[in-house]
Amino acid sequence: EIVLTQSPGTLSLSPGERATLSCRASQSVSSSYLAWYRQKPGQAPRLLIYGASSRATGIPDSFSGSGSGTDFTLTISRLEPEDFAVYYCHQYGSSPHTFGQGTKLEIK
Amino acid sequence: EVQLVESGGGLVQPGRSLRLSCTASGFTFDDYAMHWVRQAPGKGLEWVSGISWNSGTIGYADSVKGRFTISRDNAKNSLYLQMNSLRAEDMALYYCAKGASGSYYYYFDNWGQGTLVTVSS
Repeated sequence: EIVLTQSPGTLSLSPGERATLSCRASQSVSSSYLAWYRQKPGQAPRLLIYGASSRATGIPDSFSGSGSGTDFTLTISRLEPEDFAVYYCHQYGSSPHTFGQGTKLEIK
Repeated sequence: EVQLVESGGGLVQPGRSLRLSCTASGFTFDDYAMHWVRQAPGKGLEWVSGISWNSGTIGYADSVKGRFTISRDNAKNSLYLQMNSLRAEDMALYYCAKGASGSYYYYFDNWGQGTLVTVSS
């Protein structure tokens, strides 16, 4: 099983700032099959990034993903109020699928 | 518009069984893999099980293997999760998630709102 470790656990920033979230895998993620989701309180997760760097439909270009192998990054270039939420990475290249434990992005 | 509606959750005693359902609409159900993901109160996401478009590939998390069974009825646009020998640690909000292709090895592009399973005596 591939274990995904996200850091930091909590990130405190202000609107307009840049956020950098990390996801590290215990072994190489096949074909960069790595996705990112955002979950707001009381809501289901929403897909942001797939294939490590492709934006999902309707996701603004302030969101970008990068990385390969075991190290992946989600960057939000300029934080909007609705971006303060919990973010999860997900590897889907091998079974079982696994999620990281999440990074909470909070308003400073 | 893709819609995924889960049902079947509720209060159940430890050791008993429950069957969850997910009814899909707004897309060609039998073209896509489907998954169950759960979230315990205040915790993160945990993938539970997945099934490819034709049920040819099925997988389970180690935590539920041997107790849970995933299935689908493409004629009814429905996904199921049969949960047996339920434990306190199975208590969670269970989401139905649509794969972005028929392959089991794909990300999830749509999620339902979840159905809550409470395991308590």
